[in-house]
Amino acid sequence: QVQLQESGPGLVKPSETLSLTCTVSGVSVSSNTYYWTWIRQPPGKGLEWIGYVYDSGSTNYNPFLKSRVTISVDTSKNQFSLKLSSVTAADTAVYYCARVETYSSGYHWGQGTLVTVSS
Amino acid sequence: SYVLTQPPSVSVAPGQTARITCGGNNIGSKTVQWYQQKPGQAPVLVVYDDSDRPSGIPERFSGSNSGNTATLTISRVEAGDEADYYCQVWDSTSDHVVFGGGTKLTVL
Repeated sequence: QVQLQESGPGLVKPSETLSLTCTVSGVSVSSNTYYWTWIRQPPGKGLEWIGYVYDSGSTNYNPFLKSRVTISVDTSKNQFSLKLSSVTAADTAVYYCARVETYSSGYHWGQGTLVTVSS
Repeated sequence: SYVLTQPPSVSVAPGQTARITCGGNNIGSKTVQWYQQKPGQAPVLVVYDDSDRPSGIPERFSGSNSGNTATLTISRVEAGDEADYYCQVWDSTSDHVVFGGGTKLTVL
């Protein structure tokens, strides 16, 4: 059974870089079975797709975040990570890591982690 | 970019049928997924590929997709179905993923 678990700081200062890690169990992140994805949800608001990494290196990002986002894979730790630079209060959200196989298979989610941007 | 439009809220009495719509330009040519999210929890996939159900999801949950509207139908609604519901598509043209704004289902 594939499981995902997010980890990282719960508080980040404005203008700094938000860094989160998703630890994967049950499958290798280096396999090309899944698109490893980050999705976020500001408090009281809807879901926003951030982007994915696939096949250990191919990436695709939300165009509204693309200039600030990097998603990468660490095969030695079976993890994938999110970096979001120059954060502001608008980046405060619950961040979810998720996996999806194809365009039509739907996401399976980690439990999520709240990141607050505040000085 | 592709936009999905959902009604902010839908209300239904227990035992009745709830229908939650998701509008998008020619959405019938795309595949739609639906997620249920209860307060404080991660979303859960309830319908994928327009109308398929993952294992463990009751048959009361069904989906359809045609023209400019996809619909999630919940039959014989129960109090435990009260949640936010989100539609989602993966736009093959842009290779970007889009979510609808979400619909809060209230069981009266």
